[in-house]
Amino acid sequence: QKEVEQNSGPLSVPEGAIASLNCTYSDRGSQSFFWYRQYSGKSPELIMFIYSNGDKEDGRFTAQLNKASQYVSLLIRDSQPSDSATYLCAVNGGKLIFGQGTELSVKP
Amino acid sequence: DAGVIQSPRHEVTEMGQEVTLRCKPISGHDYLFWYRQTMMRGLELLIYFNNNVPIDDSGMPEDRFSAKMPNASFSTLKIQPSEPRDSAVYFCASSSPAQPQHFGDGTRLSIL
Repeated sequence: QKEVEQNSGPLSVPEGAIASLNCTYSDRGSQSFFWYRQYSGKSPELIMFIYSNGDKEDGRFTAQLNKASQYVSLLIRDSQPSDSATYLCAVNGGKLIFGQGTELSVKP
Repeated sequence: DAGVIQSPRHEVTEMGQEVTLRCKPISGHDYLFWYRQTMMRGLELLIYFNNNVPIDDSGMPEDRFSAKMPNASFSTLKIQPSEPRDSAVYFCASSSPAQPQHFGDGTRLSIL
């Protein structure tokens, strides 16, 4: 079992819809959780981090964490074509472990 | 503020040659990380430093890979001898304690 798992996608949503990206992790001792966005040919860019169970909202982005289920998700409301990118989930249980990423495509 | 600075941006060399990748972390960041990204394996942590000291090098694939951090503002990742399977994008990242990592633009390495 991979330490951090994400669906590779591609996930395709129409413009204006909600995109839901999911991630599961295996280390129950993990303390902090991050979502990075990576455009093709670019470096990963931090967009959200969450440490506590529940929801954390920042603009159109909401991160959700459920430590009991070892699950973290990212919701993107009112998706825009500029949100098309690969989204990397990263989990810190001593060192940062990245998932393989989910490719998101937002169609105009 | 300057972000993490990596050089070169692109490197193409023949197998067997020595490759040196360079990184300047964000000033004041105590942690420096080296990652490798490929389509097959995704983003993998190779090694990280805290206060210039290597803490975890378990991700370094082979003895051909070595990393140093002689001071707080500079780190190198060397591959000697290089092989075609080392072709990848190599990222350097830095952070303060318990803070998110910030990535450089990466070095795209091609070994022919």
